[in-house]
Amino acid sequence: EAGVTQSPTHLIKTRGQQATLRCSPISGHTSVYWYQQALGLGLQFLLWYDEGEERNRGNFPPRFSGRQFPNYSSELNVNALELEDSALYLCASSLEIGTGRTEAFFGQGTRLTVV
Amino acid sequence: AQTVTQSQPEMSVQEAETVTLSCTYDTSENNYYLFWYKQPPSRQMILVIRQEAYKQQNATENRFSVNFQKAAKSFSLKISDSQLGDTAMYFCAFQGGSEKLVFGKGMKLTVNP
Repeated sequence: EAGVTQSPTHLIKTRGQQATLRCSPISGHTSVYWYQQALGLGLQFLLWYDEGEERNRGNFPPRFSGRQFPNYSSELNVNALELEDSALYLCASSLEIGTGRTEAFFGQGTRLTVV
Repeated sequence: AQTVTQSQPEMSVQEAETVTLSCTYDTSENNYYLFWYKQPPSRQMILVIRQEAYKQQNATENRFSVNFQKAAKSFSLKISDSQLGDTAMYFCAFQGGSEKLVFGKGMKLTVNP
């Protein structure tokens, strides 16, 4: 069974540009989470999508946005890139089951570098 | 807001030894989940172990076990018989009613031969 896949693996952008990161969840998983992992700061929660809707949002400016498609894949868009946006962006997916929600399974991340 | 604290930024241990990683959290919720994730140099986050707060019994998974102290809001991970492949960043995480995972800052574990 394929895991969570993210593309691209690496992305280099210049300040002010826009970046689009993509995530395909595990087949059957309806929830997708996005996290930013900057050096020394652990994982910071960005966004949570479930069944096509945004369920929760972390403490990030509006230039961080995303969406979830009918097939449950997701995009994270970062507009007006700043140098401090350079980080590893991790996507995770999970599934709601009768007794709650399964643990989150992570992709390998997209390394975004802003120069 | 929930917070997760890992006070040890880095630890090293010899192969075959036992090591304990500490984690504390703060929440007003009564029902929640706690996790330990491992992130090796490959960057892939891997679930190590999971604990439901309503269960008094500590979770175990082969060489990995936890010491869950609900009243103290403490959730430590014990790795027995450490192996070179255990070298990684370890993150403690909390998942409550909002269902988003809140992570600690992580701890770098190095297992030496």
